[in-house]
Amino acid sequence: DQQVKQNSPSLSVQEGRISILNCDYTNSMFDYFLWYKKYPAEGPTFLISISSIKDKNEDGRFTVFLNKSAKHLSLHIVPSQPGDSAVYFCAAYSGAGSYQLTFGKGTKLSVIP
Amino acid sequence: EPEVTQTPSHQVTQMGQEVILRCVPISNHLYFYWYRQILGQKVEFLVSFYNNEISEKSEIFDDQFSVERPDGSNFTLKIRSTKLEDSAMYFCASSEAMLQPQHFGDGTRLSIL
Repeated sequence: DQQVKQNSPSLSVQEGRISILNCDYTNSMFDYFLWYKKYPAEGPTFLISISSIKDKNEDGRFTVFLNKSAKHLSLHIVPSQPGDSAVYFCAAYSGAGSYQLTFGKGTKLSVIP
Repeated sequence: EPEVTQTPSHQVTQMGQEVILRCVPISNHLYFYWYRQILGQKVEFLVSFYNNEISEKSEIFDDQFSVERPDGSNFTLKIRSTKLEDSAMYFCASSEAMLQPQHFGDGTRLSIL
């Protein structure tokens, strides 16, 4: 049951360029979305979030875009840096009194110097 | 920056034994969670805990599992009669409120032999 899908298991980008990570969801009850970054042997680290009432949220080099009609969100990293190399997870809250985050499988980003 | 701490980082246990995984959430957070990630699979929600009681649990969280907040700082996950398929990374998380970013610890790698 893949309610949150990250269809690209990996992505390679040159340093300085834009990284675009994509996420699709099927559950229309999802109303709050988050991106996490994970290094090996560490836990997921919160990056940025967006509420379903918005279509864009920006924090420094990171911007998340939400297209509700397409049930699609994306994370843009500009400019990409070698330290951004990690696994990125898309996650969602379904609201409606639910406390749990539903995660995608993750996309491994490699930023090449 | 405040962080969630988990101990031990790695636990090896014989099948059938009981194991307790420990977590110290961020001090001003009120909501606590356990997730697990089996190797190669998604991060999966187990349980959430608020106001000294379970607020939500997944199908995975059956009678084999229990959670407790024995004092003002620790949050524990107990797994009774461990099985081979309980081998996974177990992540603790906490958040200030509902629908807020959850902050994760670095996990405990549980290996059942």
